[in-house]
Amino acid sequence: EAQVTQNPRYLITVTGKKLTVTCSQNMNHEYMSWYRQDPGLGLRQIYYSMNVEVTDKGDVPEGYKVSRKEKRNFPLILESPSPNQTSLYFCASSRRQGPREKLFFGSGTQLSVL
Amino acid sequence: GQQVMQIPQYQHVQEGEDFTTYCNSSTTLSNIQWYKQRPGGHPVFLIQLVKSGEVKKQKRLTFQFGEAKKNSSLHITATQTTDVGTYFCAETSGSRLTFGEGTQLTVNP
Repeated sequence: EAQVTQNPRYLITVTGKKLTVTCSQNMNHEYMSWYRQDPGLGLRQIYYSMNVEVTDKGDVPEGYKVSRKEKRNFPLILESPSPNQTSLYFCASSRRQGPREKLFFGSGTQLSVL
Repeated sequence: GQQVMQIPQYQHVQEGEDFTTYCNSSTTLSNIQWYKQRPGGHPVFLIQLVKSGEVKKQKRLTFQFGEAKKNSSLHITATQTTDVGTYFCAETSGSRLTFGEGTQLTVNP
């Protein structure tokens, strides 16, 4: 089944403790992206990647890192999480980068930073 | 990226009533995508509009793209409880998709 898989689904952590949220897609998509969703703010892009070893900042990249060493994986790294990073995170992918490609989303990761 | 403003933020309807959400931009949009997110779920692609004045239908859902390509709307006829969720429009700017704030629809049975 074609899908975007995120792990974990829920995560509670403490300020400053490094964490990684994994994202993997099995559709051979070139484009991958991370979004955070907060009430009243919609979905805001954190980082995106147009292909292996190509990443770029989205609208809210501060406090996050990403890597794209393999085509299928695009982990989101929080080196030193803070409470304002408490949010619902979505990974998404599309066949290739471009204005007419629809996004496929993972199931989301609810992160709480205490 | 460009900004799209989506209204209303919330909409409560009785089952059987119609529902419309609007997506507006101050600049011309290259295209518009619409997504639906069920409560507790993830956004799911509904449709894409590309041409000026384009109208597309999916059963009870009607999507329109304005003549000037600065606005779009999603209209649901005779809502059902299965329509509950948040509807997002999204516009593309270069290689990125920028989402509106979404309209949260609740349907009272």
